[in-house]
Amino acid sequence: DTGVSQDPRHKITKRGQNVTFRCDPISEHNRLYWYRQTLGQGPEFLTYFQNEAQLEKSRLLSDRFSAERPKGSFSTLEIQRTEQGDSAMYLCASSDSPWSQETQYFGPGTRLLVL
Amino acid sequence: AQTVTQSQPEMSVQEAETVTLSCTYDTSESDYYLFWYKQPPSRQMILVIRQEAYKQQNATENRFSVNFQKAAKSFSLKISDSQLGDAAMYFCAYREGTGANSKLTFGKGITLSVRP
Repeated sequence: DTGVSQDPRHKITKRGQNVTFRCDPISEHNRLYWYRQTLGQGPEFLTYFQNEAQLEKSRLLSDRFSAERPKGSFSTLEIQRTEQGDSAMYLCASSDSPWSQETQYFGPGTRLLVL
Repeated sequence: AQTVTQSQPEMSVQEAETVTLSCTYDTSESDYYLFWYKQPPSRQMILVIRQEAYKQQNATENRFSVNFQKAAKSFSLKISDSQLGDAAMYFCAYREGTGANSKLTFGKGITLSVRP
């Protein structure tokens, strides 16, 4: 098992374009999280899946953002009509422990730059 | 809403010495979990140590230990015998202990440098 992977690692796009990121969690992990980290800040929660069900979304997740986890395995995060304020590191994490012992394992992140 | 505060943006420690990183949090919950995560430059975030709020005993993991003061809502990380590989950003994080809310709330982080 190679851990949580994310693709791409870096993305540069022009304002107004759509981008999609992929996260592959650790095998058999049923929980998957997306966070956003801007420069000099800690990660901020965006959304959370239990298997294929999206159970919680942050107010940070505007209607331009959509996340899916169609088969309860990998997840995608799409940003439509990107804005310069979307520039950030997008982190994915997964876990499978019993909830009381849960540890979230993070991927390397996708760094997005919107020009 | 829960908040996590790390007021020291940067700290430096001499190799082999001990350093303490501070964290305070605010919550009205009595059941919760606290974490310290390490994020090395250009590398992914890894869990350093966790503390359950219902446990009075401070957690320890090898050279890493915490000082958990529940009444003061303080959760500091002590790194003993600092090594060059300890240089990284360290984030304090909080998670509720009940319900389905599994999200982590992070502080702004502290950059730790280790002097050889």
